[in-house]
Amino acid sequence: EVQLLESGGDFVQPGGSLRLSCAASGFTFSYYTMSWVRQGPGKGLEWVSGVIAGGGSTHYADSVKGRFTISRDNSKSTVYLEMNSLRGEDTAVYYCAKDDCSGVSCYTHFDHWGQGILVTVSS
Amino acid sequence: DIVMTQSPLSLSVTPGQSASISCKSSQSLLDSNGKTYLSWYLQKPGQSPQLLIYEVSSRLSGLPDRFSGSGSGTDFTLKISRVEAEDVGVYYCMQGADLPLTFGQGTRLDVK
Repeated sequence: EVQLLESGGDFVQPGGSLRLSCAASGFTFSYYTMSWVRQGPGKGLEWVSGVIAGGGSTHYADSVKGRFTISRDNSKSTVYLEMNSLRGEDTAVYYCAKDDCSGVSCYTHFDHWGQGILVTVSS
Repeated sequence: DIVMTQSPLSLSVTPGQSASISCKSSQSLLDSNGKTYLSWYLQKPGQSPQLLIYEVSSRLSGLPDRFSGSGSGTDFTLKISRVEAEDVGVYYCMQGADLPLTFGQGTRLDVK
């Protein structure tokens, strides 16, 4: 059974930093693209960032480019999201999502999602 | 960025009736490999989103055949026939054809 378990969410002041982790199990982690998707309070879904299977290629939404860094450790089956210079508009539930794509560089659709972790940015 | 536009934004249906949600993309989602990366998700109240349909019309294993997806190019539809109480939630379409990946605004389905 595929499981994605996020951790690291917290309450942080504007300008602060946080690192989210997503521990994966139940599939060959190193084969698949992984993404972070967020959902602001009462809002829809927003793709934040993705990392290709090998980890050598990363992609970001414009809203977080230059502030967030995605990475993965295939030996630990874990994907991370380092978030710096946090703003109030980054307040959201952050979901880790497994892409169904296993290839050199691809995104397709998310076949599994974590339970989500709350990040609150406020003074 | 590819803009995904869903309609209607809310829907109230009597059990047993059908429901249809439209999703339009600002550009074609047809990839050079011949696949069209349009997927549908349902977020039930208090839960994470769950995949329903991918590549326009492929149903996730175990999904009731009451759910069907159709469309091509830039126009797509999710149809739920014989709506049941358990179908309540917010439905999202998403495109995987180009970065950044983008979602529709969501359609809230209420079952009367």
